[in-house]
Amino acid sequence: EAQVTQNPRYLITVTGKKLTVTCSQNMNHEYMSWYRQDPGLGLRQIYYSMNVEVTDKGDVPEGYKVSRKEKRNFPLILESPSPNQTSLYFCASSLWGTSDNQPQHFGDGTRLSIL
Amino acid sequence: KQEVTQIPAALSVPEGENLVLNCSFTDSAIYNLQWFRQDPGKGLTSLLLIQSSQREQTSGRLNASLDKSSGRSTLYIAASQPGDSATYLCAVPNSGYALNFGKGTSLLVTP
Repeated sequence: EAQVTQNPRYLITVTGKKLTVTCSQNMNHEYMSWYRQDPGLGLRQIYYSMNVEVTDKGDVPEGYKVSRKEKRNFPLILESPSPNQTSLYFCASSLWGTSDNQPQHFGDGTRLSIL
Repeated sequence: KQEVTQIPAALSVPEGENLVLNCSFTDSAIYNLQWFRQDPGKGLTSLLLIQSSQREQTSGRLNASLDKSSGRSTLYIAASQPGDSATYLCAVPNSGYALNFGKGTSLLVTP
């Protein structure tokens, strides 16, 4: 089954404790992306990747890192999490990008609480 | 900057009604427009993608239309069912490599 898998689904942690949210897709997609969803602000892009070893900032990259060492994986790293990063996070993938007329596939989300 | 607006923010209808959800965008130079469904605790599911050269797309009871010149799209749901209850989001690609999302319409279909 074609899917985007995120882990963990839920995480409660404390300020400053490094964490990684993993994202994996099994569709051989070139493009992957991370979004956060906040009440009243909607979905905003954090980082994206057009290919292996190619990543770039989205609208809200501060406090986050990503890597793309393999095509299928695109982890989101919070080196020193802070309470303002409490949010619902989504990983997405598509064949080539957002303008290639292919649908974007989203994971089920990771609900992150930073105390 | 591309801005996407969805009206209404919330909608409650009795089962069986036909309904229309609206999406408007400020920059008509779009490649496509995508409608998603989001269920509580779940991710976004792509429902329909309309390419810029298309006027509409249909999938089952869903029909999405696109009028680029007026910056509008509608999602028509026929014969609504309680299982259609969810938040519906529309999104268009921005000038970079992201989707610009509307804030969504929260739909409740009551039995």
